[in-house]
Amino acid sequence: QKEVEQNSGPLSVPEGAIASLNCTYSDRGSQSFFWYRQYSGKSPELIMFIYSNGDKEDGRFTAQLNKASQYVSLLIRDSQPSDSATYLCAVNASEGSQGNLIFGKGTKLSVKP
Amino acid sequence: KAGVTQTPRYLIKTRGQQVTLSCSPISGHRSVSWYQQTPGQGLQFLFEYFSETQRNKGNFPGRFSGRQFSNSRSEMNVSTLELGDSALYLCASSLVSPRDYGYTFGSGTRLTVV
Repeated sequence: QKEVEQNSGPLSVPEGAIASLNCTYSDRGSQSFFWYRQYSGKSPELIMFIYSNGDKEDGRFTAQLNKASQYVSLLIRDSQPSDSATYLCAVNASEGSQGNLIFGKGTKLSVKP
Repeated sequence: KAGVTQTPRYLIKTRGQQVTLSCSPISGHRSVSWYQQTPGQGLQFLFEYFSETQRNKGNFPGRFSGRQFSNSRSEMNVSTLELGDSALYLCASSLVSPRDYGYTFGSGTRLTVV
């Protein structure tokens, strides 16, 4: 059973700080890695994807990937109260014809004003 | 550009009944996947359809089934409902493959089985 592990939190950070969210995965064949944000009562929304080892930056968000360690992280700089949500890490399943996404259970982030 | 549309938004059903949920993907998206989300298990993959064919299937019992039509719209059906089927059912569409650019999710159908 392929798994994606995340610390459930809650992770509490003060406004303006850097929030660091981490994820490990078990499927060594995974090639695509995604971060979704889910507000309470809403559906998940894609915020970042990364395919190659290293960092990928998009505005206040940076995704980091280390395939050797099977580790993905998301950094949120200058955290805002509006960033308070559950963050879901997802990786593609290497088996299956096109690879569905396997999701972690999410880390709940709380940004305090 | 319209997003992923799921209907209905809320459903209350009695144990033993069956239910059909509907999903219209983003125009041009040919892959439609279904997920069940519960507080304890998180997002669990049900199945994926592409060009009217089931391309991937998760580990759910045969009571859960789906289909896709020629216009890419998809339905999922749950027969003989159990209390444990109460969950948020999310439809997700992709252009061709979710591994390329991920999914766009619909707003979900909240199913309550009583």
